[in-house]
Amino acid sequence: NAGVMQNPRHLVRRRGQEARLRCSPMKGHSHVYWYRQLPEEGLKFMVYLQKENIIDESGMPKERFSAEFPKEGPSILRIQQVVRGDSAAYFCASSPPGQGTGELFFGEGSRLTVL
Amino acid sequence: DAKTTQPPSMDCAEGRAANLPCNHSTISGNEYVYWYRQIHSQGPQYIIHGLKNNETNEMASLIITEDRKSSTLILPHATLRDTAVYYCIVRVYTNAGKSTFGDGTTLTVKP
Repeated sequence: NAGVMQNPRHLVRRRGQEARLRCSPMKGHSHVYWYRQLPEEGLKFMVYLQKENIIDESGMPKERFSAEFPKEGPSILRIQQVVRGDSAAYFCASSPPGQGTGELFFGEGSRLTVL
Repeated sequence: DAKTTQPPSMDCAEGRAANLPCNHSTISGNEYVYWYRQIHSQGPQYIIHGLKNNETNEMASLIITEDRKSSTLILPHATLRDTAVYYCIVRVYTNAGKSTFGDGTTLTVKP
């Protein structure tokens, strides 16, 4: 049973370019969450999505960042016009529909480096 | 979310029990205590959670005080592979995805 899959694992971009990070949740999971971890810091919630809906984006920066979780395919976190401060590890987590236990299943992360 | 306080670091000898404390004095009645760990910048891994009763699974035990203002995660026989950052999170489980991960406790298991 495959876990949460994230790709790419490592991504290098120059300032001003776009970064796209993909997340495929665990089979049967319909809730996806994105977190960002800056160097030497804890994880910060960014956005919570269900299929075709953004449920909570209170942790997303107001500009340049967007997320989607289409009916078909993976969830995508998109960062436009990247800056050096966007360099971080971006983690995706998923959980099953319904209340469940509240447990989150995390992927291995995508590490973005902005030159 | 209720605020949690954890010591920044702890050491433990291999084979001994590791006891990681967490203070959550402002916890509400419907909030659960969750523990995750992150090994060397990998994705966080769920360990255990509880509401008010002590809990045990194959990884660890969770002891919650009667007033629920603090808890302790116990790794009964720590191994070198348990070296990680351990996060204590307090949250209603209906939206546990919007969890607040603080700085956690860096546990170092030494041979």
